[in-house]
Amino acid sequence: DAGVTQSPTHLIKTRGQQVTLRCSPKSGHDTVSWYQQALGQGPQFIFQYYEEEERQRGNFPDRFSGHQFPNYSSELNVNALLLGDSALYLCASSLGGSRTYEQYFGPGTRLTVT
Amino acid sequence: DAKTTQPNSMESNEEEPVHLPCNHSTISGTDYIHWYRQLPSQGPEYVIHGLTSNVNNRMASLAIAEDRKSSTLILHRATLRDAAVYYCILLTFQGAQKLVFGQGTRLTINP
Repeated sequence: DAGVTQSPTHLIKTRGQQVTLRCSPKSGHDTVSWYQQALGQGPQFIFQYYEEEERQRGNFPDRFSGHQFPNYSSELNVNALLLGDSALYLCASSLGGSRTYEQYFGPGTRLTVT
Repeated sequence: DAKTTQPNSMESNEEEPVHLPCNHSTISGTDYIHWYRQLPSQGPEYVIHGLTSNVNNRMASLAIAEDRKSSTLILHRATLRDAAVYYCILLTFQGAQKLVFGQGTRLTINP
């Protein structure tokens, strides 16, 4: 059973460009959350998708947007990239109705903005 | 979001028990205490969670103070593979399972 997968593994973009990151949740999971982790910091919550809708959003600008597909996979889009967007982007999946709240994380996508 | 306080770093020896403390004095009655850890170059990994009673699983034990204002994650016999950053997180079910990570405790295991 594959866990959470993310693509690509690494990505280098230029300031002002746009980027799309992809995530496939663990089999059977219907909820996907995205986190940004700057070097040396803990992950910061960006947003969460459940039933193809954004259910909750962290303190991130509108340049960060997402989408969830009917098969529960998800994309994170970042427009007008800034140097400060360089970070590890983590995807986590879980069961929306579960009260255990256990989230399974993928290995992340390392984004470098130059 | 209720806050937690953890030591920045701790060090222990292989095959010895490790006690990782967490203070959460503003915890509410509906907050669950969760622990995640992040090994080098990996995403965070769920370790354990509890509400009021002490909990055990194959990875660790969680000891919760009677007033719930603090908790301790116990690794009974640390191995080199337990070297990681450990995060203590409070989580209330509010329709979304948002994890709020702090700085965590960086655990170093000496051989």
